[in-house]
Amino acid sequence: AQTVTQSQPEMSVQEAETVTLSCTYDTSESDYYLFWYKQPPSRQMILVIRQEAYKQQNATENRFSVNFQKAAKSFSLKISDSQLGDAAMYFCAYRVNNNAGNMLTFGGGTRLMVKP
Amino acid sequence: NAGVMQNPRHLVRRRGQEARLRCSPMKGHSHVYWYRQLPEEGLKFMVYLQKENIIDESGMPKERFSAEFPKEGPSILRIQQVVRGDSAAYFCASSPRSSGANVLTFGAGSRLTVL
Repeated sequence: AQTVTQSQPEMSVQEAETVTLSCTYDTSESDYYLFWYKQPPSRQMILVIRQEAYKQQNATENRFSVNFQKAAKSFSLKISDSQLGDAAMYFCAYRVNNNAGNMLTFGGGTRLMVKP
Repeated sequence: NAGVMQNPRHLVRRRGQEARLRCSPMKGHSHVYWYRQLPEEGLKFMVYLQKENIIDESGMPKERFSAEFPKEGPSILRIQQVVRGDSAAYFCASSPRSSGANVLTFGAGSRLTVL
């Protein structure tokens, strides 16, 4: 069974600084997707960034980038120039790429606090 | 273009009552997923449905929980004889297909409180 682990229950960053959130996963599959979702206090799940396992290049979306280490099964999220609006729960998620459906396996989450 | 619509946003039930949560997927999406989020935890997959079919219910509790996605109308997650441990946020997500690069779109969730 696939598992996703986020070892940092809480992280704190100063506004305008950079922070990295950790995620590791366990799978025997070779073709899969990894995601980072943001959950603000409104509880809405918002997709931050996505990485295909077959791509060696790390995904980037504006201030958000990932460090994908396939051999180490590590998928960290880097937030640059942190803003107050980045404060939220962040969830790492995994999905195998097959025809069985879009079921995601989520980590336990990291609460990010941004200090002004 | 409305996103995934869930209602009610908040539902309060007493122990032993029934809870019904509804989800209308995004327009053009025919695949629906239900997830549960217990307090201070990540989301856990419950069930995957297509119109009139349950595809995967491996995450559903064996008793009291059921889900449907009829030909017409929203998907329904039904919890019978609720207990305090059912208190959680229930999220619905939809996608246009079952695989590939498509991404799940989540609703805002329904928070169930059992007194």
